Amino acid sequence: KQEVTQIPAALSVPEGENLVLNCSFTDSAIYNLQWFRQDPGKGLTSLLLIQSSQREQTSGRLNASLDKSSGRSTLYIAASQPGDSATYLCAVRYSGAGSYQLTFGKGTKLSVIP
Amino acid sequence: GAGVSQSPSNKVTEKGKDVELRCDPISGHTALYWYRQSLGQGLEFLIYFQGNSAPDKSGLPSDRFSAERTGGSVSTLTIQRTQQEDSAVYLCASSFNGYEQYFGPGTRLTVT
Repeated sequence: KQEVTQIPAALSVPEGENLVLNCSFTDSAIYNLQWFRQDPGKGLTSLLLIQSSQREQTSGRLNASLDKSSGRSTLYIAASQPGDSATYLCAVRYSGAGSYQLTFGKGTKLSVIP
Repeated sequence: GAGVSQSPSNKVTEKGKDVELRCDPISGHTALYWYRQSLGQGLEFLIYFQGNSAPDKSGLPSDRFSAERTGGSVSTLTIQRTQQEDSAVYLCASSFNGYEQYFGPGTRLTVT
C-alpha cells in the first residue's frame, strides 16, 4: 500500500523563523508531488507542484524539494509570518496506468506565534 | 478566473436519507476528482472522471455512493441511505489532463 507520511504532525514557531516541513513516501515511482495549504474550515490551496523530473520548485518565500531516491520532499518556509498558520498537506500522484488520484499525508499543523 | 465551486457548503441530514453534492469544475478542465476528508482519516480518493472515459470508481467505499458527470462538466456525488460514518467534508478537484489539481471549498456533510 502506498503511503505518505508527514512529520511533525504539529509545529509551533515564533514569527520570523525559517522552518522545514517534511514529507516521505513509500514508493519512488511517482509522477508528481504537490504541497497544499488548508485553512480551518476551508478547501485546499495548491502551493507548489514538483514533477518527478524536477528537484525543486520555488514560489516567493516557499521552496519545495524532491528526492525520489530517498522518498522525501521538504517544504521550506522562509521568514515565517502569522498568516502562514495553517495545515500543510503533501500529496503524491504515483506513476502507472490508472494512477490519477493523489495520495495524501495527514498534514502538519503550523502555528506561527507573533 | 473562477475556481472550483461546490454546493451546498454545509448539509445536515438524517440517517437513512439520500443526499446529492454538486461540483462545478474550472472551465476547460478535463479531469474531475472527488475526495473525502474525515476527522482523523485524512483525505481519501473516491472517484475520478477524465473526458468521456469510464470513471475510476475504485475509491468509493460502498455501493451507496455513486457519481456522475454530465456533459463533461458538472458532477454530482450521491450518497444513498446515509449513515453516521458518512459524515465528512467532501472535496472536489479538477485538473487539465491530470496535471495540477485545484480544489473547491468542500461540502461539510453531517449525518444525525
